[in-house]
Amino acid sequence: EVQVVESGGGSVQPGGSLRLSCAASGFTFSDHYMDWVRQTPGRGLEWVARSRNKADGHTTEYAASVEGRFIVSRDGSQNSVSLQMNSLKIEDTGVYYCVRGPRGTTGNDLYYYYMDVWGKGTTVTVSS
Amino acid sequence: DIQMTQSPSAMSASVGDRVTITCRASQGTNTNLVWFQQKPGQAPKRLIYAVSNLQSGVPSRFSGSGSGTEFTLTISSLQPEDFATYYCLLHHSYPLTFGGGTKVEIK
Repeated sequence: EVQVVESGGGSVQPGGSLRLSCAASGFTFSDHYMDWVRQTPGRGLEWVARSRNKADGHTTEYAASVEGRFIVSRDGSQNSVSLQMNSLKIEDTGVYYCVRGPRGTTGNDLYYYYMDVWGKGTTVTVSS
Repeated sequence: DIQMTQSPSAMSASVGDRVTITCRASQGTNTNLVWFQQKPGQAPKRLIYAVSNLQSGVPSRFSGSGSGTEFTLTISSLQPEDFATYYCLLHHSYPLTFGGGTKVEIK
C-alpha cells in the first residue's frame, strides 16, 4: 500500500524548534518529489516546502513565510523526509501534511503523481 | 506570486443539485491545476489532476474543465457523501498556491 506517515508534532513556545518526520512506503521514494503542506485556521491550505527527487539533486523550494526558518531534507536509506522548523511563530500553528509529489517536470511524471498521496497530518501548536 | 481566487467560499445545496466551483488565477497557466476534497478531520483527497483528469476511484459525477485563468469543478448530481470542502491548487510556478476553499453544505 502506498502511504506516507507523519510524526513529530507537538507544542512549543514561540522561538522554539520542532522536527517533523515523514515515513514513506509502498513506492520508489527516490523517484518522487516530496512536499509539506500545512493547514491553519486563518489561512486554509498552504504549501510549505518541497524536496525534489534524486534525479533533480534533492534541491529544495520554500514558501516565503518559512524561508530561512524551515529546512526540508531527505534520508533515502530510511525512505523518509523531514521538516526542521526553527524560530517558530504563533502563526506556524496548524496541521502539517506530508504529500507525495511528482516524479518529474513534464508529462505524466508531472501530472499523474501530483500531490496524489497525503498523510493524516501531525499537529504543531506554537503558544506561550 | 500567482493568486488563486476560489468562489464561492461557501454554498448550500441539495442532494441531486448540480454544483459548480470556480478558481481564477491572476496569471494564465496551462494544465497545472488540481482539485481536492476535504472532509472534517481528514486529509485532503485528490479528485482531479491536470485540469480535467479524474483520479482513479473518484465517481464520474465529478469533472474539471477550464484553461488560461479560469477553472471549474463540477459535481453533476450532488450526493450525501459530497458535502465537504473543495480546494484548487495551481502548480504553475513557486510558490504553489491553493485556492481559499469552498465549503459545500446541506440546504
